[in-house]
Amino acid sequence: GNSVTQMEGPVTLSEEAFLTINCTYTATGYPSLFWYVQYPGEGLQLLLKATKADDKGSNKGFEATYRKETTSFHLEKGSVQVSDSAVYFCALSTDTGNQFYFGTGTSLTVIP
Amino acid sequence: GAGVSQSPSNKVTEKGKDVELRCDPISGHTALYWYRQSLGQGLEFLIYFQGNSAPDKSGLPSDRFSAERTGGSVSTLTIQRTQQEDSAVYLCASSLRGGLSPSVQFFGPGTRLTVL
Repeated sequence: GNSVTQMEGPVTLSEEAFLTINCTYTATGYPSLFWYVQYPGEGLQLLLKATKADDKGSNKGFEATYRKETTSFHLEKGSVQVSDSAVYFCALSTDTGNQFYFGTGTSLTVIP
Repeated sequence: GAGVSQSPSNKVTEKGKDVELRCDPISGHTALYWYRQSLGQGLEFLIYFQGNSAPDKSGLPSDRFSAERTGGSVSTLTIQRTQQEDSAVYLCASSLRGGLSPSVQFFGPGTRLTVL
């Protein structure tokens, strides 16, 4: 079956620290992979995506590389800011595109 | 409107009552998804509509749950004989297309359902 597993939080970092949020997946076929972010009081919004192996998605200083050999899509940022405090969700869509599977979310708090 | 809207934003109901949740997708988006987000859980896929095709209902947790999409636009998720375990935030998302090349989903703010 299809599923997404991401590291449990909460994660607390100091400003300018390096961030990694691990995400691994199980899927049949060739899924597309996504990171969504939910800022406090707001709805989910797409952060970045990758549609095939070795693609790198990037946005707002965040990056994630689609690694088929390790079935991973880890989210990284070199220097986090207080404004990055949010809940981050890893997700995949099946290659039929009908269904999306989300991880449980990882809460990130960045302190000054 | 500019984004996906959902109503009501909050709904409190008694166990055994029926509830209807509404989603207005972004105009022109052919794909519409419903999800459920329970406390401490990820998003659980419920149902997917693509244009005029038959919906993918494989995520609906029981036959108490149903959804329809009228005119390819507004969608209503109905939960009959609500149970306490139905308490969750119900999210709607739409995208320009689904299928083999799904485009980005835009999420609504959700409806928080509380079943007493």
